[in-house]
Amino acid sequence: DAGITQSPRHKVTETGTPVTLRCHQTENHRYMYWYRQDPGHGLRLIHYSYGVKDTDKGEVSDGYSVSRSKTEDFLLTLESATSSQTSVYFCAISEGGLQYFGAGTRLSVL
Amino acid sequence: RKEVEQDPGPFNVPEGATVAFNCTYSNSASQSFFWYRQDCRKEPKLLMSVYSSGNEDGRFTAQLNRASQYISLLIRDSKLSDSATYLCVVNPMRGSQGNLIFGKGTKLSVKP
Repeated sequence: DAGITQSPRHKVTETGTPVTLRCHQTENHRYMYWYRQDPGHGLRLIHYSYGVKDTDKGEVSDGYSVSRSKTEDFLLTLESATSSQTSVYFCAISEGGLQYFGAGTRLSVL
Repeated sequence: RKEVEQDPGPFNVPEGATVAFNCTYSNSASQSFFWYRQDCRKEPKLLMSVYSSGNEDGRFTAQLNRASQYISLLIRDSKLSDSATYLCVVNPMRGSQGNLIFGKGTKLSVKP
């Protein structure tokens, strides 16, 4: 157990509304990641963080922003949700070059 | 060419069978390699790292062929509980915190 908690676990929202997903870790890991997983695409990196206030874009960052104001929390925000952002979102931490994942958030944008 | 390619399956095998998955990667400079397992509607979980010398963990054996840029996973004496999707994962960067590249996964279904 890598001590990663994602919230909410499930969310249904409407197109155009802002949505924030939270990833919380308890073991002071420096690196944190947000991925989305869709059928036919596998896991794709959205954004990652290498420290407080230090973030960078991944492969599919358009339409997403992140913030990390403290080590334990990494927030993913959809500024104006679209139906194409319906997906399963996973947070991960890195430890010794290996990545460990949270349980995921299932987001539906109607 | 996609960065990490896997046969999506599904592989349908009887209990007790031996099954092998292969994975190819495009970046010859890739540094480290892993297999993850993902159960339906769950998060991916690390199964094992893959080393050039090959490594074994119980019924699971992983091999790396750098010259051919492929990775394999062999499962012996398959159990019902082995049913899952197996993800081939590559770290293309030197250093321990490189961003991982995930294959789309190979689905395994073990039948009684």
